[in-house]
Amino acid sequence: EPEVTQTPSHQVTQMGQEVILRCVPISNHLYFYWYRQILGQKVEFLVSFYNNEISEKSEIFDDQFSVERPDGSNFTLKIRSTKLEDSAMYFCASSVRLATNEKLFFGSGTQLSVL
Amino acid sequence: QQQVKQSPQSLIVQKGGISIINCAYENTAFDYFPWYQQFPGKGPALLIAIRPDVSEKKEGRFTISFNKSAKQFSLHIMDSQPGDSATYFCAAGLTGANNLFFGTGTRLTVIP
Repeated sequence: EPEVTQTPSHQVTQMGQEVILRCVPISNHLYFYWYRQILGQKVEFLVSFYNNEISEKSEIFDDQFSVERPDGSNFTLKIRSTKLEDSAMYFCASSVRLATNEKLFFGSGTQLSVL
Repeated sequence: QQQVKQSPQSLIVQKGGISIINCAYENTAFDYFPWYQQFPGKGPALLIAIRPDVSEKKEGRFTISFNKSAKQFSLHIMDSQPGDSATYFCAAGLTGANNLFFGTGTRLTVIP
């Protein structure tokens, strides 16, 4: 079965530094998402992306966050100035159609640790 | 605001037993309720999903029961196997929206 690939699997950074989390969605998928899970808490929606623009974002996705699909295959999440509370597992996902109409395919995640 | 509440946090079941995980939601407009299964080191994967026009959906050993009036839905795993040991997430969403609201997850351990 095709997979969503995320790199790196672990990222350690200092508070205030910029990080870029990378994802390669499944090739024929049209919708892309970032979710995160703080340890012991629920998986939270950050942002969805369709047709080269953000289609929806949550309150968590503030000006410190941005997403990009730079080359038609990669999908990135940038955190401009990391905070301690950004420490979480970040999941990329993709789907052929909208999440509620089609299953999401998740990557295995990037564990971000902000020190 | 917690849109979806999931319980229990962890569950230990003997091989061959029934595993039951419960979720409750707040938004009566939600019309899509999936369950995702996550093995260690992997991302969540869709297991089974239901829409509120039916009260039950079964796929193999996995069954979703849905109670619209109580705003609750549950996952039943019949004849639980050690290979079912994973974290299970319920979620809820609204057709036409881009996001799903997930529960906090249940870590299931099936002991031989």
